Amino acid sequence: SQQGEEDPQALSIQEGENATMNCSYKTSINNLQWYRQNSGRGLVHLILIRSNEREKHSGRLRVTLDTSKKSSSLLITASRAADTASYFCATAPYNTNAGKSTFGDGTTLTVKP
Amino acid sequence: EAGVAQSPRYKIIEKRQSVAFWCNPISGHATLYWYQQILGQGPKLLIQFQNNGVVDDSQLPKDRFSAERLKGVDSTLKIQPAKLEDSAVYLCASSPPGAQASPLHFGNGTRLTVT
Repeated sequence: SQQGEEDPQALSIQEGENATMNCSYKTSINNLQWYRQNSGRGLVHLILIRSNEREKHSGRLRVTLDTSKKSSSLLITASRAADTASYFCATAPYNTNAGKSTFGDGTTLTVKP
Repeated sequence: EAGVAQSPRYKIIEKRQSVAFWCNPISGHATLYWYQQILGQGPKLLIQFQNNGVVDDSQLPKDRFSAERLKGVDSTLKIQPAKLEDSAVYLCASSPPGAQASPLHFGNGTRLTVT
C-alpha cells in the first residue's frame, strides 16, 4: 500500500481562495516532499520538509508537518488558475534519502477563474 | 540548466510487442530513476541507478522489463513483451550525488498505450 495518502482526492475552488491538501503516512519518515504535476507533464518539486521541522514557507505555499499524527498539509494561498494541477506528497522512510520516497495518489486541484 | 530529457513522448504498440524508452538526466546527476505512473495514481519506482550501478530494482517486473545505464549518463528502459496493463506514463527522474534530502527532477515522461 502507498506510504503517503492525500486527501481530498479532488478539490475545486474559485480563484483567490485558499486550497488545503492533506497527506497522511504510516511509518516514521526522514523527510516529506510535495510535488506538482500539470496535465501531460512531469512532476515538479515544490517543497521539502524534514522530520525535525514543523512548518516551511515558499512564496504562496505553506507546508506543515505533524510527526505525532503522521500527517502533513499543503496550503496554497490566493490561488490562481495556473495552480490547477495534481499535487503529490512523497515520503522518504527514516534513514533513507529522498530517492527512496513513496508517492501518494495525489489531490487534483481545479482553480476556476 | 537543461532538464531531464525523455523520448519518445508517446508510443502506441500492440500487446506482445517490445518498446524502449530513453532518458538523459541533468548533467552531473549521478542518480537516475524510472517510475511508472498509471492514470489516476502516483508514480511508482521501478528502478534506481547510482552512476551505472543498480541500487534498487525490487519493484521491476524482471520477466518483461529491463533497464540499463551503461556509461552512467543516459538510460534506456525496455519492455518485452508488453501487456495491456503496462499502459502508463513512464517517468525518468534524476538527482545530484551525495545529497540525502535532494529533490527529484522529472522529465515529461513517455505515455505508452498498449492495445
